[in-house]
Amino acid sequence: TQLLEQSPQFLSIQEGENLTVYCNSSSVFSSLQWYRQEPGEGPVLLVTVVTGGEVKKLKRLTFQFGDARKDSSLHITAAQPGDTGLYLCAGAGYGQNFVFGPGTRLSVLP
Amino acid sequence: ETGVTQTPRHLVMGMTNKKSLKCEQHLGHNAMYWYKQSAKKPLELMFVYNFKEQTENNSVPSRFSPECPNSSHLFLHLHTLQPEDSALYLCASSQDRSLEGTYEQYFGPGTRLTVT
Repeated sequence: TQLLEQSPQFLSIQEGENLTVYCNSSSVFSSLQWYRQEPGEGPVLLVTVVTGGEVKKLKRLTFQFGDARKDSSLHITAAQPGDTGLYLCAGAGYGQNFVFGPGTRLSVLP
Repeated sequence: ETGVTQTPRHLVMGMTNKKSLKCEQHLGHNAMYWYKQSAKKPLELMFVYNFKEQTENNSVPSRFSPECPNSSHLFLHLHTLQPEDSALYLCASSQDRSLEGTYEQYFGPGTRLTVT
């Protein structure tokens, strides 16, 4: 069974600060995804990474897939209140269903 | 709006009731999923359908019964549930799962279920 750990579990920061959240596993994934979920809504896909060492940028968000394809990080620059939400990572082996981590709950205070 | 709708958004039911959750996707996808999201566990995959055929049943108790009449609609029939079944039930859809490579899931807003 593939298990994903995410850290920190909770994070509360002031608007304008930078932050990094992490997703780790002992398993190798063929692809890894990050989602953001806001209260009362379903998760929304932010990015998919498939190559070890890959870095993708989405405006103020930077995603990195570890070289060994076992871990990933999400860095947010100059966080805004609109970034508040639950950040979920999900990993899948080739042809397998995605397994989700427990999430990091981010609160950005104005 | 992700193109996946779920009804009802909230449901309260007794342990002896029978109810159904409905999911509809307008994205032209051929795979649909049910997930359970509870407060103390990661998102759990329950069922997967690809081209209306069930391809995954993740050891879900028989009091949860899925139905997929076509690629756009997915139901979850509920009967004799337990209080620990209270959770957010999420539906998702994606491209055809028989294609190689990764896939992207689009989630609905969920049904918040409370079993009393």
